Amino acid sequence: AQSVTQPDIHITVSEGASLELRCNYSYGATPYLFWYVQSPGQGLQLLLKYFSGDTLVQGIKGFEAEFKRSQSSFNLRKPSVHWSDAAEYFCAVSLEYGNKLVFGAGTILRVKS
Amino acid sequence: KAGVTQTPRYLIKTRGQQVTLSCSPISGHRSVSWYQQTPGQGLQFLFEYFSETQRNKGNFPGRFSGRQFSNSRSEMNVSTLELGDSALYLCASRNGPSSNQPQHFGDGTRLSIL
Repeated sequence: AQSVTQPDIHITVSEGASLELRCNYSYGATPYLFWYVQSPGQGLQLLLKYFSGDTLVQGIKGFEAEFKRSQSSFNLRKPSVHWSDAAEYFCAVSLEYGNKLVFGAGTILRVKS
Repeated sequence: KAGVTQTPRYLIKTRGQQVTLSCSPISGHRSVSWYQQTPGQGLQFLFEYFSETQRNKGNFPGRFSGRQFSNSRSEMNVSTLELGDSALYLCASRNGPSSNQPQHFGDGTRLSIL
């Protein structure tokens, strides 16, 4: 079955430390890939997307993600985390011929000072 | 330009009632999708509308329905509410139905069933 896996439910990092959130997908073909962030009581904000081409994509707020076809992964990274980055992060995919987004379960990021 | 607007933000209903949620997409966006977010099931796709036509539907019972108007605004309706329908309902819009166009989300409607 098609699925998106975010193995880490919670992650805690110190402010200023680097961050990597993991995302793996299970699809027959390369899907379109997205990372969204959700702050408490709010909707989802798009951080970045991958459709094709360069496998390292830059997003907003200093985030980047790397697509690795061989590992079916699309991990999100940030070199230096700020306290305001504390939120829940969702990896999502959509198929070329479909319209819906399929989301991972999310990773809650806590930033300690 | 203004983002996706969902009304109301909060809603409390009792079992057996019905509810209608509203979504106004970003100006110029013609595709609207609805998602349900719960702690247990996460984010799940309900349906997508484009040009007043339902293009795709998730795995939800027929109690969940939607529609889209000629101005691209969309409503979703849930009839015979159950406790398990308590959730955050998110609406997302994009220019068109192609999957390579990112969806932009509203802040959601928090529905609580008593």
